Amino acid sequence: NAGVMQNPRHLVRRRGQEARLRCSPMKGHSHVYWYRQLPEEGLKFMVYLQKENIIDESGMPKERFSAEFPKEGPSILRIQQVVRGDSAAYFCASSPPEAQETQYFGPGTRLLVL
Amino acid sequence: AQSVTQPDIHITVSEGASLELRCNYSYGATPYLFWYVQSPGQGLQLLLKYFSGDTLVQGIKGFEAEFKRSQSSFNLRKPSVHWSDAAEYFCAVGVPGRRALTFGSGTRLQVQP
Repeated sequence: NAGVMQNPRHLVRRRGQEARLRCSPMKGHSHVYWYRQLPEEGLKFMVYLQKENIIDESGMPKERFSAEFPKEGPSILRIQQVVRGDSAAYFCASSPPEAQETQYFGPGTRLLVL
Repeated sequence: AQSVTQPDIHITVSEGASLELRCNYSYGATPYLFWYVQSPGQGLQLLLKYFSGDTLVQGIKGFEAEFKRSQSSFNLRKPSVHWSDAAEYFCAVGVPGRRALTFGSGTRLQVQP
């Protein structure tokens, strides 16, 4: 059973460009979470999604950030008009229906904004 | 809102020595408690978790953690550290009814030969 998959692993963008980060949960997992890790810090929750639904987006910045988890395909975290402060590692996690409290993390996408 | 404190930013131990990483939380009831390990440039791997029951929890790679309600702590221990244990360790807290985990700022473990 493959783990949580994220791509790309590294992403470089110039200020003002858009960044799209993808996450495929573990097989059978229907819950996806996105976290951001700034340098030398712990992870900060951003958003929790189920298929076609955003359940909790209390950690998402109010502007430029959006997330989706369509019926088919991976979850996408989208950052529009990136700024240098968006440089961070973005981690996706997933959990199974029978153990929703336990989250399994992907390898992360390291975003660098020039 | 819940919070997590990992008082030690950086710890160095000798290979073969015992290890204890501290984690304290703030929450009005018993939360769900987790320890994750992150190797450089990698994602987080779940070491162990506590939801209820026996307060001493066994995890992978020879790690264990003990939940102490009176101290609001969930310290991670290993009796004999291996060089491959060098990594960053994160304590995390979850609360019933909310899926978001709250992470501590991490403890970086260095292992000396």
